[in-house]
Amino acid sequence: DAMVIQNPRYQVTQFGKPVTLSCSQTLNHNVMYWYQQKSSQAPKLLFHYYDKDFNNEADTPDNFQSRRPNTSFCFLDIRSPGLGDAAMYLCATSRDRLQGSYNEQFFGPGTRLTVL
Amino acid sequence: GQQVMQIPQYQHVQEGEDFTTYCNSSTTLSNIQWYKQRPGGHPVFLIQLVKSGEVKKQKRLTFQFGEAKKNSSLHITATQTTDVGTYFCLFIEMDSNYQLIWGAGTKLIIKP
Repeated sequence: DAMVIQNPRYQVTQFGKPVTLSCSQTLNHNVMYWYQQKSSQAPKLLFHYYDKDFNNEADTPDNFQSRRPNTSFCFLDIRSPGLGDAAMYLCATSRDRLQGSYNEQFFGPGTRLTVL
Repeated sequence: GQQVMQIPQYQHVQEGEDFTTYCNSSTTLSNIQWYKQRPGGHPVFLIQLVKSGEVKKQKRLTFQFGEAKKNSSLHITATQTTDVGTYFCLFIEMDSNYQLIWGAGTKLIIKP
């Protein structure tokens, strides 16, 4: 079945130790998103790729970086995790961004990041 | 900047009662999507509304988009335990900048 896969499902890192989260999709969608979601809050968009075009949200800290080496894979790099970065990280895809057309987002199961 | 207000934050209902959540934007927007997130799960797309005044139904769920495209609502008739979760609206703005603006979510809780 076509899907969005995130690895690992749980990640523990130490304060300041770089960590990479991965996302892959078999949907062949053009757009991939990274969200941070903390308990009882809405997903917060960090950035998204439209094909290879990277779009950063204005309030995303420089500590968060992303790579999309090909259509199927996207990575979230947290260069120096702080205690405040502990959260669920959700990857999502959509076929496109056009109005009224194929911009439904499909979410992966998420990676829960713990920072010690 | 553009803001979306979603109310209420929580709604406790007896099974069989109705549930409604509302989203309001400070500006006119392109379209709106609704998502449901079960406890411990990830958001799942429910529907997208594009046209002014649009109303769509999915079984017991009714979605509305305001005439001015500044507000939307989701109404569930006769709630069931399977409806438990948090419902989010997502406003999408596609003019000069592509912007996604999520509501804070409304958590539906079924009273025991």
